[in-house]
Parts: sequence; structure tokens; C-alpha cells
Amino acid sequence: DTAVSQTPKYLVTQMGNDKSIKCEQNLGHDTMYWYKQDSKKFLKIMFSYNNKELIINETVPNRFSPKSPDKAHLNLHINSLELGDSAVYFCASSLSSTPGELFFGEGSRLTVL
Amino acid sequence: AQSVTQLGSHVSVSEGALVLLRCNYSSSVPPYLFWYVQYPNQGLQLLLKYTSAATLVKGINGFEAEFKKSETSFHLTKPSAHMSDAAEYFCAVSGGGADGLTFGKGTHLIIQP
Repeated sequence: DTAVSQTPKYLVTQMGNDKSIKCEQNLGHDTMYWYKQDSKKFLKIMFSYNNKELIINETVPNRFSPKSPDKAHLNLHINSLELGDSAVYFCASSLSSTPGELFFGEGSRLTVL
Repeated sequence: AQSVTQLGSHVSVSEGALVLLRCNYSSSVPPYLFWYVQYPNQGLQLLLKYTSAATLVKGINGFEAEFKKSETSFHLTKPSAHMSDAAEYFCAVSGGGADGLTFGKGTHLIIQP
């Protein structure tokens, strides 16, 4: 059983399109995150949700909209895709009682043409 | 604001040699510090964490790290490198709770046969 699963694993799309990435965790964690990893491997937090409530919303274009229907799911919708959005997007989860101990999904590689 | 700096974007060692990956932190409060490993085309995996208990922390796969407050360092070591250790290594700091992690830029570890 995969602890943190993301779908799809690969996304190739044209500029201007809209796409979504889904994430689910079966660890019983109360906090979920989206991270972006660029081509130089740099990881930056985008959003964090605790018990479905948005906690962190870093300086991310408002074309990116997270949605957490319940504690086990955190989806990411991206409108009007741009070339610079090409990256690997990682979902992660943790317990707020054990800060920093994140479990990561395998990533979703987005390529915008 | 908390941050970490990893010295050396690439480190190359021979199989069987000592591995030393350097990380310095900046934090106005006692930090939670972590090392994560990322194998090719995978998500990140926790190697070890420092949470103000013991200053020498042992992790998985034979890795350990020592917290030195006087040097604001948290360097990662392994006495004898294996080919399977080849990966990207990230030092990270957390503010606690649902803050998530702030990552360093990563160090690519290369193991020479």
C-alpha cells in the first residue's frame, strides 16, 4: 500500500491549458503539503494544509489553487499553464505533533510545451 | 527566518571512503533539523532528524549527523560509502507544527567504484 500517492505521475500539456494533480495519503496524518522542485532540484514549499485548513500559502501565482476535500486528500489545480510551471510537484504529509517528518509521494512531472 | 546552507552542490567519494556532506543553519530559536535523501525519479525519504535530544543523531543506512551549536552546523557522515548511496541529499529546517520544511539546495553524492 502506497503511503502518499499522486496522480498522474507525468503530465505533458500545452501553454494556456488547465491541469490538476491529485494526492492521497493513508497514514492518518493531519497535515499535507505541496512542494515544487525545479530543474536544479531546488525544493520550495507552495502550500500546507492542516485538518483541511490552509496554513501556508507561499508567494505562488493565483493560477495555482489547492483544494483539500478531507484530511486524506490535497489536490492542486493549475490554470493557464506557463512554460515556467514545468517542474516536479511533490505532495507530502506529516503529523503536526512530529514537525518536519514528512512522507513524500513520488512526484508528478509537469512539462509545459 | 530559518534557513540552511549546503556547501558543495556535488561531492564525489570512492566506494568505501568516508562520506561528509556539509550543512549550516540559521535560526533564531532552537531548530528542528533534518537530512532527507532523494534517489533518482523518486520522492524524498527521511534519513535522520535532530530535535534537541542527543547532539549525535543516527539515521538509516548507516548515516549519522552531529548538531554543533557553536558552529551552527549539522553535517551528515557515513564511515564507508556504498554504490547504493549515490543520490541527492537535502538538509532541511522546520519551525514546528504545520510549518513544513525549508530545504537547502541539495548535494549530489557521486560514488566512484
